[in-house]
Amino acid sequence: IQVTQSPSSLSASVGDTVTITCRASRGISPYLNWYQHKPGKAPTVLISGASNLQSGVPSRFSGTGSGPDFTLTITDLQPEDYATYYCQQSYSAPITFGQGTRVDIK
Amino acid sequence: DVHLEESGGGLVQPGGSLRLSCVGTGFNFNNHAMTWVRQAPGKGLEWVSGFSSGGFTPLYADAVRGRFTISRDEAKSTLFLQMDNLREDDTAVYHCVKDAWGWLFDSWGQGILVTVSS
Repeated sequence: IQVTQSPSSLSASVGDTVTITCRASRGISPYLNWYQHKPGKAPTVLISGASNLQSGVPSRFSGTGSGPDFTLTITDLQPEDYATYYCQQSYSAPITFGQGTRVDIK
Repeated sequence: DVHLEESGGGLVQPGGSLRLSCVGTGFNFNNHAMTWVRQAPGKGLEWVSGFSSGGFTPLYADAVRGRFTISRDEAKSTLFLQMDNLREDDTAVYHCVKDAWGWLFDSWGQGILVTVSS
């Protein structure tokens, strides 16, 4: 299963709303997870099962999607949110990640 | 707290071998599938190999099948990745990852660098 993530990078200001999309090569709902990765740190899971916010993750992160199409939304972007975000399909092995979206300061 | 500590990385020549280890603490290692994910320089995350939840069947990405072998020692709470016939495109930081269930990766190690170069 191929997973296509877009955009590959974006610039946004503190307080903005950011949207990242992933499209799988077939329907996989709800087996889509989102991760945040900061340089020099281990990735952390934000959302599982397309829309389930993980414990301790701020509510400004949300996920939606069905079939092959999924979206990660960050509202009221904060300085600590500048990072690279990855989607990952957990429908079947071999497991695949999206190409990543780097969120930079505008 | 869950902690995953990788070791065994380093510089190796093409065609050589390395064995990565990962000790897991702070959780019941025997109850969880485990996975290896790598990140090549300037690239994204790539799933390498892992045990499936429920049956602990070992599975591999096409890029490493036949060259890498995943194993685990539950008495020592340790995950291994035997890497043979290494190629330059295997150069990456390798992360040990705990699987919450069904390929949901809820805890990651900091990663260990493997460099394949002559």
